[in-house]
Amino acid sequence: EAGVTQFPSHSVIEKGQTVTLRCDPISGHDNLYWYRRVMGKEIKFLLHFVKESKQDESGMPNNRFLAERTGGTYSTLKVQPAELEDSGVYFCASSRDRGGEAFFGQGTRLTVV
Amino acid sequence: AQKVTQAQTEISVVEKEDVTLDCVYETRDTTYYLFWYKQPPSGELVFLIRRNSFDEQNEISGRYSWNFQKSTSSFNFTITASQVVDSAVYFCALSELPGANSKLTFGKGITLSVRP
Repeated sequence: EAGVTQFPSHSVIEKGQTVTLRCDPISGHDNLYWYRRVMGKEIKFLLHFVKESKQDESGMPNNRFLAERTGGTYSTLKVQPAELEDSGVYFCASSRDRGGEAFFGQGTRLTVV
Repeated sequence: AQKVTQAQTEISVVEKEDVTLDCVYETRDTTYYLFWYKQPPSGELVFLIRRNSFDEQNEISGRYSWNFQKSTSSFNFTITASQVVDSAVYFCALSELPGANSKLTFGKGITLSVRP
């Protein structure tokens, strides 16, 4: 069984540019989560999809961040325009059941310069 | 609000030593889950254990053991006879039980270095 896959693994962009991160969850997992770790700080929740619906987006920092999960399969997280403070590692996780074991991807390291 | 504190930031031990990673949590919920994840150098977060708040039994899995104590709100993780491959960042996390919000609240992580 393939694990959670995230693309790209690294991205370096200039302030003001747009970046789109992609997450492919484990097949059959309805729950998909995005988290972010800013350097030296905790891994923080961004949002939670159940299939294609946003269940909880309380962790999204501001309206420069847009997450989608069309068709309830893969998800994208777009940052537009990127700011320096958006730098960090973005993790995606999926689980079959809410509160169940969440499988994480390897993360996307985003650097905004 | 939920909070997870991992007071140790970096630990360095010599191979074969035992090491305990501390985790203290805060929650107003009476029912919740506690987790430990390992982040090896490759970057992904690897699930190690989930414990629900009803079950205070300690758990042992090979060289790993976990001590859950509700009285002190702690969920400590011990690695016995550590090995170089145990070198990683370890995260403790907390979530409400299903039916409510299942998002994870993480601690800052503990970087464990095991030297040969």
